[in-house]
Formats: sequence, structure tokens, C-alpha cells
Amino acid sequence: NAGVTQTPKFQVLKTGQSMTLQCAQDMNHEYMSWYRQDPGMGLRLIHYSVGAGITDQGEVPNGYNVSRSTTEDFPLRLLSAAPSQTSVYFCASSERMRNSPLHFGNGTRLTVT
Amino acid sequence: AQSVTQLDSHVSVSEGTPVLLRCNYSSSYSPSLFWYVQHPNKGLQLLLKYTSAATLVKGINGFEAEFKKSETSFHLTKPSAHMSDAAEYFCVVSDQRYSGGGADGLTFGKGTHLIIQP
Repeated sequence: NAGVTQTPKFQVLKTGQSMTLQCAQDMNHEYMSWYRQDPGMGLRLIHYSVGAGITDQGEVPNGYNVSRSTTEDFPLRLLSAAPSQTSVYFCASSERMRNSPLHFGNGTRLTVT
Repeated sequence: AQSVTQLDSHVSVSEGTPVLLRCNYSSSYSPSLFWYVQHPNKGLQLLLKYTSAATLVKGINGFEAEFKKSETSFHLTKPSAHMSDAAEYFCVVSDQRYSGGGADGLTFGKGTHLIIQP
């Protein structure tokens, strides 16, 4: 059981570059979401999706884009990287059921110089 | 609005001694509460959850938590710490108004780093 797979594990970008963080899940979960984790700040929601073709903004969406063309995949795009986007990014998925637990990937550690 | 406060950013205990990680919450509705654990360089994993059934909830790896409405608390405990318990722990509150498992209804605490001394 692969669960939630994130690639790459590590990435270094220069300011202004763009890139896509990949997230795939094989559990047929309808809900998927992206978080960033910064020291002392817990997890903050960037974008989320309640199903294919449907996305919405979370707490900190600026500078990020998402799309959900399939149930399995939920890529996160950084349009023009900034040092403030240096963080660890987590993708999560869950069933469409109240109080369903989140299933997390192992994260992508991004550094923007 | 809802919020969650983890009262300690770091907790250090000796191996074999009890663990107590404290969490207070605020919610306008009947909340659901979760504890997640994050080991180094890993994603978060569900330890246990409270969803308005029994107030004492048992989770994986010997952890349990008690929901106390009068104190608005959901503290995590374990009778005897093991070295493998060293990790970051997150308390999460979910507003029951949200009908699905969507992330938009969740609020994460800032985390408690548990250190186990040999």
C-alpha cells in the first residue's frame, strides 16, 4: 500500500523560479489538501480539494496554484518562488466522511535562495 | 471560530516514566479532537480521535486521551515512555459543522516536541 506519495523529497530553487510539487494517492480518497510546516507554526493549509475538478483556498494560498484533474493527483505549483516559501510541504488525503483521519505523505523540503 | 493551544512546545521525560502532553481547545460547536504524531522526516500519523462517544479514547502505541468538556481539554498521556515515542505531537480540533473529512474544517496546534531521556 503506497498511500500518499510526494515527489520530490528535496528541492532547491532560486528566487523567481517555478516548480510543481507532485502528490498522488492510491486510496480513492475524495479529499486532498496541501499544508506547509514551518518551525513553531504547526501546519497551515494552503489549498484543498473536495473532488476532481473542485479546489479551494486555505489559510495561506498566495503564491501557490493547484488543480485536480483526477481523483489520484493533486499537484501544487509555485508560480515564482520567494525565500518566504522555504518550508516543508505536506500533502494529505481523506475520505469524504465526517472525522475521517488525514493520511499524509512524507513531505517535500523546499529551499528558496 | 475554533482554536487549539498546546501548552508546552517541548516536553522531556525519562524512558519508563509517564508522558503528559497538554491540549486546550475552543469551539463554538461540539468538536471532534485528534492527536497526530510526526516522527523525524515523516508525515503525520493519526494516534487517536474523539468524536463524542466515550470521553476516554485509546490510541495506538499505548497512548490515550481524555476529553474534558468542563476544562476544554484533551490531554494525551502514556503510562511509560519508550525511546521510540520521541517525536512531534499535534493536537487538532474539527468543527462538527463540517460534514465531510475536508481539511478546511481542521485547526492544528503548533505542536509539542517530546524528548525521551535514556
